[in-house]
Amino acid sequence: AQKVTQAQTEISVVEKEDVTLDCVYETRDTTYYLFWYKQPPSGELVFLIRRNSFDEQNEISGRYSWNFQKSTSSFNFTITASQVVDSAVYFCALSDHTGGFKTIFGAGTRLFVKA
Amino acid sequence: DAEITQSPRHKITETGRQVTLACHQTWNHNNMFWYRQDLGHGLRLIHYSYGVQDTNKGEVSDGYSVSRSNTEDLPLTLESAASSQTSVYFCASSESGGYGYTFGSGTRLTVV
Repeated sequence: AQKVTQAQTEISVVEKEDVTLDCVYETRDTTYYLFWYKQPPSGELVFLIRRNSFDEQNEISGRYSWNFQKSTSSFNFTITASQVVDSAVYFCALSDHTGGFKTIFGAGTRLFVKA
Repeated sequence: DAEITQSPRHKITETGRQVTLACHQTWNHNNMFWYRQDLGHGLRLIHYSYGVQDTNKGEVSDGYSVSRSNTEDLPLTLESAASSQTSVYFCASSESGGYGYTFGSGTRLTVV
């Protein structure tokens, strides 16, 4: 069965701190995709990254980085030197072959970055 | 520019009324989805479609229906609105299975 767990409901940091958002997933498939989305206070949902199950390379995009570890079924997201504009709800998501590649989402982690 | 639009942005309706939320995309995506967002639950899938005339139930489909008569539109109908259906509804589309979604701006529905 598909499942995505984001155990951190809310995180609060001070600007310039590094912060890691955890994501643990469950799937029986060998072919699957993992995603992160951002939902700022304005409410829209913004796609950040997609990772397929065959590519465990970590990815860095500016202050954002993602650590994919199949051994622990985790796909964690780190923001380096956080900024107030990073304040948002972040969703981790999973899409797998058994589920017809529809996407299921975790409950989200709300990040507060204080100036 | 291609886009995905939802209407209305806000809707207040009475219990028992039929309500239809519109979703229109110009990405020419075959895959379209409806999710509802509630505090503590993240986004839950209501219905989805992989092409014209194709519709499928998601995890929370009771009380909702969709139809897909063309590539661009996937309207969501609440047959008889209930207070439990008060939520924010998001429509999304994707190029194909396993690709990231493009989301609409959402519809905030209140059932009184």
